[in-house]
Amino acid sequence: NAGVMQNPRHLVRRRGQEARLRCSPMKGHSHVYWYRQLPEEGLKFMVYLQKENIIDESGMPKERFSAEFPKEGPSILRIQQVVRGDSAAYFCASSLQQMNTEAFFGQGTRLTVV
Amino acid sequence: EDQVTQSPEALRLQEGESSSLNCSYTVSGLRGLFWYRQDPGKGPEFLFTLYSAGEEKEKERLKATLTKKESFLHITAPKPEDSATYLCAVPNGSGNTGKLIFGQGTTLQVKP
Repeated sequence: NAGVMQNPRHLVRRRGQEARLRCSPMKGHSHVYWYRQLPEEGLKFMVYLQKENIIDESGMPKERFSAEFPKEGPSILRIQQVVRGDSAAYFCASSLQQMNTEAFFGQGTRLTVV
Repeated sequence: EDQVTQSPEALRLQEGESSSLNCSYTVSGLRGLFWYRQDPGKGPEFLFTLYSAGEEKEKERLKATLTKKESFLHITAPKPEDSATYLCAVPNGSGNTGKLIFGQGTTLQVKP
């Protein structure tokens, strides 16, 4: 039973490029969450998605960031025109139900903007 | 505003020296409290969920307890492999329980 899979594990982008982060939830899980962990800071909620729907994006920056969870395939977190301040670890989590039960995190994607 | 505060920020123990980590929370309508363990360079690993005051859960050397205002993670006779950052989180109180509010974590180092 594979866990939450994120790829790539490490991503280096130059300023102004686009970053695409992928997350495949655990089998049977239809709830996906993205969190960001900046250096020396705690985990911060970004967005909560169910299949084909964004449920809560209150933690997403208004510009350059978008997320989707299509009917088929992984969830994608997309960052356009990256800046150095986007450098962080991005974690995806999934749950069987809404996150008042067990939620499982992936290993994260570490984005470095140079 | 929903808030989670963990203390201490860092804790150094000798192997076998028991201690407790604290998680204080402020949230309207608690829908659960989560403990995670995070190793460097890895994602958070789920440990426990507690739902009501007085509830306790155990796993190996770890025991989590919950009151109306805080939770404790008790570590009994720790080993070096227990070294990690321990995170506490609560679902936000606004109704959408998809959003977890995390504390800053307690970084535990257990020396042999």
